Amino acid sequence: QSALTQPPSASGSPGQSVTISCTGTSSDVGGYNYVSWHQQHPGKAPKLMIYEVSKRPSGVPDRFSGAKSGNTASLTVSGLQAEDEADYFCSSYVGSTNWVFGGGTKLTVL
Amino acid sequence: QVQLQQSGPGLVKPSQTLSLTCAISGDSVSNNNVAWNWIRQSPSRGLEWLGRTYRRSNDYALSLKSRIAINPDTSKNQFSLQLNSVTPEDTAVYYCARGTWWTFDIWGQGTMVTVSS
Repeated sequence: QSALTQPPSASGSPGQSVTISCTGTSSDVGGYNYVSWHQQHPGKAPKLMIYEVSKRPSGVPDRFSGAKSGNTASLTVSGLQAEDEADYFCSSYVGSTNWVFGGGTKLTVL
Repeated sequence: QVQLQQSGPGLVKPSQTLSLTCAISGDSVSNNNVAWNWIRQSPSRGLEWLGRTYRRSNDYALSLKSRIAINPDTSKNQFSLQLNSVTPEDTAVYYCARGTWWTFDIWGQGTMVTVSS
């Protein structure tokens, strides 16, 4: 069982926005601004989309944004495109050189 | 750009040692500004951080500390994972990943490892 809780699925139509949540505790998500989000297409390596809650690595479209409130982080994908259909998982640094992950959310573009 | 290429067997017998290698291109295993990690993913346990090599020292997940070793190989610019005394519970997809920004910014392609006799 994953340490961080994500909804198993989310969906939206092209052009719409969808938000995926990642809920933890004050020991992980709530305690550190080190939440990140990764995209994973089937059979492919994960790709970092958001780090330190809301920062985007170079090359990631600004349609992807991150936020955090209390013990819950969120990833919003705006202007949904077909290629955004993938699994998304969150992770959080939890101190003492350790990281935890969410169970992943399958995003479907309708 | 930085790429990580994993290699190693996909089948390991129970009680034996799982060994995987991650070859680095576009960066150096000796880079003191990043860490080199192993992470695994299974249906039963989800994603699990296993450990890392960083600045000539290692950090391991507490649950695996007695069975795991991660070692850099500067001559080949790669790093390895060894997990001893494996059981079917260790069946998973194993990933190597570069660590920076308190997360993992580059991942290997993943290796499915099955523990079975």
